[in-house]
Amino acid sequence: DVKVTQSSRYLVKRTGEKVFLECVQDMDHENMFWYRQDPGLGLRLIYFSYDVKMKEKGDIPEGYSVSREKKERFSLILESASTNQTSMYLCASRGEGSTYEQYFGPGTRLTVT
Amino acid sequence: QQQVKQSPQSLIVQKGGISIINCAYENTAFDYFPWYQQFPGKGPALLIAIRPDVSEKKEGRFTISFNKSAKQFSLHIMDSQPGDSATYFCAASIGSWGKLQFGAGTQVVVTP
Repeated sequence: DVKVTQSSRYLVKRTGEKVFLECVQDMDHENMFWYRQDPGLGLRLIYFSYDVKMKEKGDIPEGYSVSREKKERFSLILESASTNQTSMYLCASRGEGSTYEQYFGPGTRLTVT
Repeated sequence: QQQVKQSPQSLIVQKGGISIINCAYENTAFDYFPWYQQFPGKGPALLIAIRPDVSEKKEGRFTISFNKSAKQFSLHIMDSQPGDSATYFCAASIGSWGKLQFGAGTQVVVTP
């Protein structure tokens, strides 16, 4: 069964802290994505990766960076958290087979105070 | 600026009724239109998808209608059930492998 896991369901951090959000998939997928979900705005793509050590900016990369050292793991980094980064963060993965479906993790609710 | 506009924001429908969610886009290069369903506390999951070479696609009680000339597509949930209560997102991309542009989402509540 397809599985995408995220390291935390809830996270509270202070302004200026460095924050790491971890995502692991067990499907051997090449492509992985980080989105943020905000009411009224839907899902917006922050970064994606199509291979180990490869990354591309999405629509809202400012204030974020990513790391993909292993195929199964994709990390989102907030170098200096700010209150406007309070949001739900969703990780997804997608294979290169016949299906184009993105498989999402359960999300991490990040609150920056 | 949202590339895919979705309406309504929320919808309440009685059990057995029809839920209709509409989406509109401007970029004529979009050629893949999936719908994702999200239950509380879960990530979104693919529900159904369509390409512009067909005007309608049906899977069980869920139907996508696509109007290429109007640049609109919609999701119809027939015989709505309380278990369909969820948030629904439309999306669009250029090619199946392209980046998905999501709509704002519609929260559907089906009352018993």
